[in-house]
Amino acid sequence: DTEVTQTPKHLVMGMTNKKSLKCEQHMGHRAMYWYKQKAKKPPELMFVYSYEKLSINESVPSRFSPECPNSSLLNLHLHALQPEDSALYLCASSQGGRLTSYEQYFGPGTRLTVT
Amino acid sequence: DAKTTQPPSMDCAEGRAANLPCNHSTISGNEYVYWYRQIHSQGPQYIIHGLKNNETNEMASLIITEDRKSSTLILPHATLRDTAVYYCIVRVRSTNAGKSTFGDGTTLTVKP
Repeated sequence: DTEVTQTPKHLVMGMTNKKSLKCEQHMGHRAMYWYKQKAKKPPELMFVYSYEKLSINESVPSRFSPECPNSSLLNLHLHALQPEDSALYLCASSQGGRLTSYEQYFGPGTRLTVT
Repeated sequence: DAKTTQPPSMDCAEGRAANLPCNHSTISGNEYVYWYRQIHSQGPQYIIHGLKNNETNEMASLIITEDRKSSTLILPHATLRDTAVYYCIVRVRSTNAGKSTFGDGTTLTVKP
C-alpha cells in the first residue's frame, strides 16, 4: 500500500471558523510533511515531522497548527484563516531514519477555500 | 539544497520520447537528483532519483551528466496521460527528514 489519504477533499470555511485537515499513511513512514500550493505555483513546504517530532517549521503563521498524534497520522489545525490562505494543502510521507528510501509519497490534497 | 532550472514548457508527440532537461550547476557531491510530476489537480508523484549513475525504472530513465551539473528525464513513449508538470529537485539524502524545495517545473503537453 503506497497510498497517502487526505480528508476532506474540499473544505470551505469562514475566517472565524476552526477546522482540521487530516492525513494518514500506513507505509511505516516516519517522516510526514505539509505543503501549501497556490494555483499555477509549485508546492511550498510548511512543516516536517520526523519520528512524530516537529523538525522543520518554515516560518508558518500560528493560525496553522500541525499535530502528529502517531506515526501514521498528521493533522493541520486551522483557525482564523485569511482569504489568501485559500490553496491546495498537500500531505506527504517518506521513510526517513536510517532506511535508504527518501522519496516522498503525496496525498491528493485538500482544496481549501476561506471566505 | 541546490537550485534547479527547467524550461517552463515543452510539447511532445504521443508515442515519441519526451526528454525533459534540468540544470543544477551548483549541486554538491552529496545531493541527489529527484524527479516528480504533478498531473492536474492531483498530488505530486515520485518518478525517479539518482546520484551520478544513469537510472531506469518502469516509468522513466534519468541521465545525469558526468559533471552532475545537469540531468535529463526521459519518458520513452509518451502518452496523453503523461501531460503534467514535471519537477526536478536536488536534495541531500540524509538520515533526517529534510526539505524538498520545488522549483517552477516544466509543463509537458503530450499531443495526439
